[in-house]
Amino acid sequence: GESVGLHLPTLSVQEGDNSIINCAYSNSASDYFIWYKQESGKGPQFIIDIRSNMDKRQGQRVTVLLNKTVKHLSLQIAATQPGDSAVYFCAEKRTGANNLFFGTGTRLTVIP
Amino acid sequence: DTGVSQNPRHKITKRGQNVTFRCDPISEHNRLYWYRQTLGQGPEFLTYFQNEAQLEKSRLLSDRFSAERPKGSFSTLEIQRTEQGDSAMYLCASSGGQGYNEKLFFGSGTQLSVL
Repeated sequence: GESVGLHLPTLSVQEGDNSIINCAYSNSASDYFIWYKQESGKGPQFIIDIRSNMDKRQGQRVTVLLNKTVKHLSLQIAATQPGDSAVYFCAEKRTGANNLFFGTGTRLTVIP
Repeated sequence: DTGVSQNPRHKITKRGQNVTFRCDPISEHNRLYWYRQTLGQGPEFLTYFQNEAQLEKSRLLSDRFSAERPKGSFSTLEIQRTEQGDSAMYLCASSGGQGYNEKLFFGSGTQLSVL
């Protein structure tokens, strides 16, 4: 069936290192993707988004890469900090849909 | 604080009771969404409003669930005859502006525990 999923449920990185969080999607009709960060007890917080007509988009310390050929999305966090520890979700918006479909999430733990 | 506000933050109830949650979206946002999130999972879509009109409902939204947005501003989500399986975080999100691609801004959620 159709799904938005993540390759790794957990990721631990050393403070200062770069982090890469991956996401696979299966719906080729999806044309908009978002990464969210969710800290314990809080709602998802928008990080960065990308449209399907783009391959790469950069923000402050974050980069999202989209490979439509293999339906893969990644979030790169540069110089990871303890405050980056959270669960990260990718979400997709399918053409014609009004809502977002979320994956299961990856828990990022930053080791000081 | 001009973000999405949800009340209460936590709700503990006994099975069979009714509960109601409130969401105040970002003031200029015309779209409002309800999602449900269980532990270790991503949020699941429940329903969507554009202004006061409820335009889409998920199959997850059983007949015990009802959502309203009477004046196109705040919204309420009511669950009747709660069951233990209703225990979850209920998230509200809003978005606005023109265009197809939209960012959803989420509130902090209401954590429901059904005993």
